[in-house]
Amino acid sequence: DGGITQSPKYLFRKEGQNVTLSCEQNLNHDAMYWYRQDPGQGLRLIYYSQIVNDFQKGDIAEGYSVSREKKESFPLTVTSAQKNPTAFYLCASRTGHEQYFGPGTRLTVT
Amino acid sequence: DQQVKQNSPSLSVQEGRISILNCDYTNSMFDYFLWYKKYPAEGPTFLISISSIKDKNEDGRFTVFLNKSAKHLSLHIVPSQPGDSAVYFCAASGGGIQGAQKLVFGQGTRLTINP
Repeated sequence: DGGITQSPKYLFRKEGQNVTLSCEQNLNHDAMYWYRQDPGQGLRLIYYSQIVNDFQKGDIAEGYSVSREKKESFPLTVTSAQKNPTAFYLCASRTGHEQYFGPGTRLTVT
Repeated sequence: DQQVKQNSPSLSVQEGRISILNCDYTNSMFDYFLWYKKYPAEGPTFLISISSIKDKNEDGRFTVFLNKSAKHLSLHIVPSQPGDSAVYFCAASGGGIQGAQKLVFGQGTRLTINP
């Protein structure tokens, strides 16, 4: 079954800790994306990567970091510098114009 | 600067009737538009798309209409079914090489289908 996997589904962290969210795809897509969704808002782009070992900042990259060492994997680290880290995080990959999304990770920081 | 706007946060429609969701955009460089459906705590699912060279695209119960002069698109669902209850996002891409690589999303419209 081809698709995008995000783990875990729910993640809890204490304030001041860095946390890494996993995203894996077996669709053989070159491009991958990270978004966050807050209640009542649309999806906002954090980082994206068009190819291995290359990535670009999206609209709200501050406090986040990414790596793209393998085509299949695009992990997102939420650092302690992110002021409002509690959100629903979505990973996607792209073929043509269409982006396909994983199931999301709900991160709660207290 | 909201380049893609869905001005109706919510919409309630009776089962069997037509649901019409609207989306406006401001960037004339957008040349591809998509609709996604999202259930709570899940990732969005791609529904239907349209290129700017067309004004209509149909897929089963879903039809997307594009009015380029008005910078407006709409999603029609006919007939509406209870399983259509979800949040619907409009998205757009275009505007050079970098613009084509990214999607800009609207805020979403929550559709509720009533029995």
